[in-house]
Amino acid sequence: EAQVTQNPRYLITVTGKKLTVTCSQNMNHEYMSWYRQDPGLGLRQIYYSMNVEVTDKGDVPEGYKVSRKEKRNFPLILESPSPNQTSLYFCASSIAGADTQYFGPGTRLTVL
Amino acid sequence: KNQVEQSPQSLIILEGKNCTLQCNYTVSPFSNLRWYKQDTGRGPVSLTIMTFSENTKSNGRYTATLDADTKQSSLHITASQLSDSASYICVVSGSGGSYIPTFGRGTSLIVHP
Repeated sequence: EAQVTQNPRYLITVTGKKLTVTCSQNMNHEYMSWYRQDPGLGLRQIYYSMNVEVTDKGDVPEGYKVSRKEKRNFPLILESPSPNQTSLYFCASSIAGADTQYFGPGTRLTVL
Repeated sequence: KNQVEQSPQSLIILEGKNCTLQCNYTVSPFSNLRWYKQDTGRGPVSLTIMTFSENTKSNGRYTATLDADTKQSSLHITASQLSDSASYICVVSGSGGSYIPTFGRGTSLIVHP
């Protein structure tokens, strides 16, 4: 089944404790992206990747890192999480940037 | 800066009624426009995609229109059902150097029985 998977689905952590949210797709898509969604603000792009080893900042990259060492994986790294990073995070992939994106199920992160 | 504005922000209708959601954009040059449906707590799912040459696209009870001259799109939902309760997001992609999609903030639709 073609899908985008994210792990974990739910995470509660404390300020400053490094964490990684994994994202994997099995559709051989070149484009992958991370979004955060907060009430009233819609989906905001954090980082995106056009292909392996090619990443770029989105609209709200501060406090986040990503890597794209393999085509299928695009982990989101929070080196020192803060409470303002409490949010619902979505990973998405598509054949190319302008194509239909397929979204993962979301990761609900709470930073205390 | 590329922008996508959606209206209304939220909408409440009775089951069986029709409704229309609006999307205005400034993305240029234009490549395509998509409407996504997002159920609460889940990832968005694509409903329709429209390119510059298309002005109407249907997907069951959902009909999207596009006026590329005025840079406006609408999503019309016919005979609404309780399962239509969701957020509807307009996403516009440009061509050339502006192909990264720009997301609207969405319209929250609630369908009451």
